[in-house]
Amino acid sequence: KQEVTQIPAALSVPEGENLVLNCSFTDSAIYNLQWFRQDPGKGLTSLLLIQSSQREQTSGRLNASLDKSSGRSTLYIAASQPGDSATYLCALKNTGNQFYFGTGTSLTVIP
Amino acid sequence: DGGITQSPKYLFRKEGQNVTLSCEQNLNHDAMYWYRQDPGQGLRLIYYSQIVNDFQKGDIAEGYSVSREKKESFPLTVTSAQKNPTAFYLCASSIEWGLAATTGELFFGEGSRLTVL
Repeated sequence: KQEVTQIPAALSVPEGENLVLNCSFTDSAIYNLQWFRQDPGKGLTSLLLIQSSQREQTSGRLNASLDKSSGRSTLYIAASQPGDSATYLCALKNTGNQFYFGTGTSLTVIP
Repeated sequence: DGGITQSPKYLFRKEGQNVTLSCEQNLNHDAMYWYRQDPGQGLRLIYYSQIVNDFQKGDIAEGYSVSREKKESFPLTVTSAQKNPTAFYLCASSIEWGLAATTGELFFGEGSRLTVL
């Protein structure tokens, strides 16, 4: 069964710092990988989606990469802002159309 | 604007009562999902439906029931048989068929928080 791990569970950084969030998975037979943002008490907002055949996707200050061979994805946030404070989750869709979620990394950007 | 609407946002239930959470989408998506989120745990799949009038149990279906009579709607009933129903419930949808299905992107509603008194 696919296992998805996000380490660390929580991260605090000063404003302006560049940071990397990690997502590891055990089975490389994935269809896509999606990064979400979740604010307290809210639903999940899709940030970036990487197809299995792609290596990375970019949106503004966000860049997500995918390395299936090593079972890793990273979400790079450039020039962090206090408004980036939230929980970030990664989710995989496998080739059997099932979704697997990590438990998330809670990010705090300190002004 | 297209999206997924969940209601109510907050719901309180007395023990022994059934409650129904609503999920409506106007994205014309084929597949709909219900997830439960508890603190410190990943999302857990309750039920999913890939087509109207058909649905499948997820990992934690006991104590829950669903229906899919319309493409746009996928209500979740939390029955009295669910022993620990206090949680945050999330509805999601995705396209399953056709060219647009190639991305497999998952979209979520804003969630419903259920508290048992």
